[in-house]
Amino acid sequence: DAEITQSPRHKITETGRQVTLACHQTWNHNNMFWYRQDLGHGLRLIHYSYGVQDTNKGEVSDGYSVSRSNTEDLPLTLESAASSQTSVYFCASRQGVDSPLHFGNGTRLTVT
Amino acid sequence: QKEVEQNSGPLSVPEGAIASLNCTYSDRGSQSFFWYRQYSGKSPELIMFIYSNGDKEDGRFTAQLNKASQYVSLLIRDSQPSDSATYLCAVSGGSARQLTFGSGTQLTVLP
Repeated sequence: DAEITQSPRHKITETGRQVTLACHQTWNHNNMFWYRQDLGHGLRLIHYSYGVQDTNKGEVSDGYSVSRSNTEDLPLTLESAASSQTSVYFCASRQGVDSPLHFGNGTRLTVT
Repeated sequence: QKEVEQNSGPLSVPEGAIASLNCTYSDRGSQSFFWYRQYSGKSPELIMFIYSNGDKEDGRFTAQLNKASQYVSLLIRDSQPSDSATYLCAVSGGSARQLTFGSGTQLTVLP
């Protein structure tokens, strides 16, 4: 079955370190997204991509970057981790612009 | 700034009752509407989607969309304790069709 896999599931890092969260999907979807989820804020869009070499900023993109070198992967990089980036991160993909999102299992990131 | 509003709850209903969850949105050009269920510590999972005005039924779930009033609702009939979760409303619109999520409504179904 097609799926979307995030790794690691849990990560603890120190302030100032660079961190990369992986996202790999086997749906062959062109559209991929990164969200963060915090209490009281729901899911907020960080970055998204509509195809290889395409990346776009979302609502809360400061301090994050993504790259899309193939269809399957959209890694999320925190350039210099900050305590405010402690959150649960979800990767998602969809087939088309009006299709539902499929979510990965999430990565819980703690920045100390 | 596109906004999607939901009552945060918690909403409590007895087992077997109808649970009614509501969502309003600000972008009149929104095209697609989704309801996700999220159990604590888990990822959101799709329950239903609706594109046209009116009702859409799937088993115990009914989604209702009223574009003129800019609201979408989810009814859960014969609520079960296993329905206890946070329900997220998501709205897609604009040229990029990005999804904007509400902050979710926490539902508790009491045995």
